[in-house]
Amino acid sequence: AQSVTQLGSHVSVSEGALVLLRCNYSSSVPPYLFWYVQYPNQGLQLLLKYTSAATLVKGINGFEAEFKKSETSFHLTKPSAHMSDAAEYFCAVSDQRYSTLTFGKGTMLLVSP
Amino acid sequence: GAGVSQTPSNKVTEKGKYVELRCDPISGHTALYWYRQSLGQGPEFLIYFQGTGAADDSGLPNDRFFAVRPEGSVSTLKIQRTERGDSAVYLCASSGSGASTDTQYFGPGTRLTVL
Repeated sequence: AQSVTQLGSHVSVSEGALVLLRCNYSSSVPPYLFWYVQYPNQGLQLLLKYTSAATLVKGINGFEAEFKKSETSFHLTKPSAHMSDAAEYFCAVSDQRYSTLTFGKGTMLLVSP
Repeated sequence: GAGVSQTPSNKVTEKGKYVELRCDPISGHTALYWYRQSLGQGPEFLIYFQGTGAADDSGLPNDRFFAVRPEGSVSTLKIQRTERGDSAVYLCASSGSGASTDTQYFGPGTRLTVL
């Protein structure tokens, strides 16, 4: 069975600071990994995905994530936080057998001026 | 173009009642997924349709839950004899072909409250 662990239900940063949201996965076969963002009262929006090509994946709004097999991690980063980045972020995993997504519990990103 | 839409956006019902939740996927998408998101949790998979058929219904919690997609586009999630524990946001997503590498596009969800 697949699983995703997101460390930290809440992460607070100052505007302009580095954003680091952690995601570790468990999968018995090579995974596909996704980061979604959820703004208040909106649906989940894909930020980026890893599907076994380049291990460093660039997404929308300046976010990127690096797949590290040895660490079973797919952490999300952004060099400089903006107020508009405040939202809840979800990491998810699937694989070539099953397209259904298994999500982590989410991390709420708070950005202060 | 239009995204995934879900109706109603909010549904309040009483324990024991029957409810139907509707999902309109992106036009042309053959794959459709239902997920449920409880407070403080990530979305949890319920059922996956490929065309008109349920390819995987292993996430349905019990036989009170049922979903259909009769013409391969709109889907309805049906919950019988609702319980307070069914209260959650029900999310629908669609993707082009159902391949694991496809992006799943999510609707805004239906917030179900069972009193």
